[in-house]
Amino acid sequence: EAGVTQSPTHLIKTRGQQATLRCSPISGHTSVYWYQQALGLGLQFLLWYDEGEERNRGNFPPRFSGRQFPNYSSELNVNALELEDSALYLCASIRELGTGNTIYFGEGSWLTVV
Amino acid sequence: DAKTTQPPSMDCAEGRAANLPCNHSTISGNEYVYWYRQIHSQGPQYIIHGLKNNETNEMASLIITEDRKSSTLILPHATLRDTAVYYCIVRAGNMLTFGGGTRLMVKP
Repeated sequence: EAGVTQSPTHLIKTRGQQATLRCSPISGHTSVYWYQQALGLGLQFLLWYDEGEERNRGNFPPRFSGRQFPNYSSELNVNALELEDSALYLCASIRELGTGNTIYFGEGSWLTVV
Repeated sequence: DAKTTQPPSMDCAEGRAANLPCNHSTISGNEYVYWYRQIHSQGPQYIIHGLKNNETNEMASLIITEDRKSSTLILPHATLRDTAVYYCIVRAGNMLTFGGGTRLMVKP
């Protein structure tokens, strides 16, 4: 069974541009989470999508947005990129909501803003 | 979610058991204890989770105290590849909130 897959692995953008990151959850998983991890820092929750709807949002500006498609894959968009947006962006998925169900992570997408 | 407290770093000799403690004194009855690890610049890897009983899988064992206020993750025979940051997370809802974790260094 394939794990959570993310693309691209690495992305370099210029300040002010837009970046789009993609995530395919594990087959059968309907809920997707996005996290940001700046270099040397902890994982910060960004967004949570379930059944196509945004369920929760972390403390990030509106230029961070996303969506979940009918096939449960997801896209994270970062507009008006700033240098401090350089980070590892992690996607995770869960089969069904419930505290006893495990959330699995992908390997992440490195975004570098220059 | 209840807050967890972990030592910032630990060392372990290769081949020995690594015992990683976690305090979660404010845990509620329906909150699970989850452990993940993150090897440098990779995505967090799920290790194990439990509610009340001790749990064991192919990676590790999780020992939860009877009052559930603390737990210990045990890697029975640590290898150099187990060097990572280990996160103990108490989860009530559908979110995972990461703290600072414990940086485990396995030494030859």
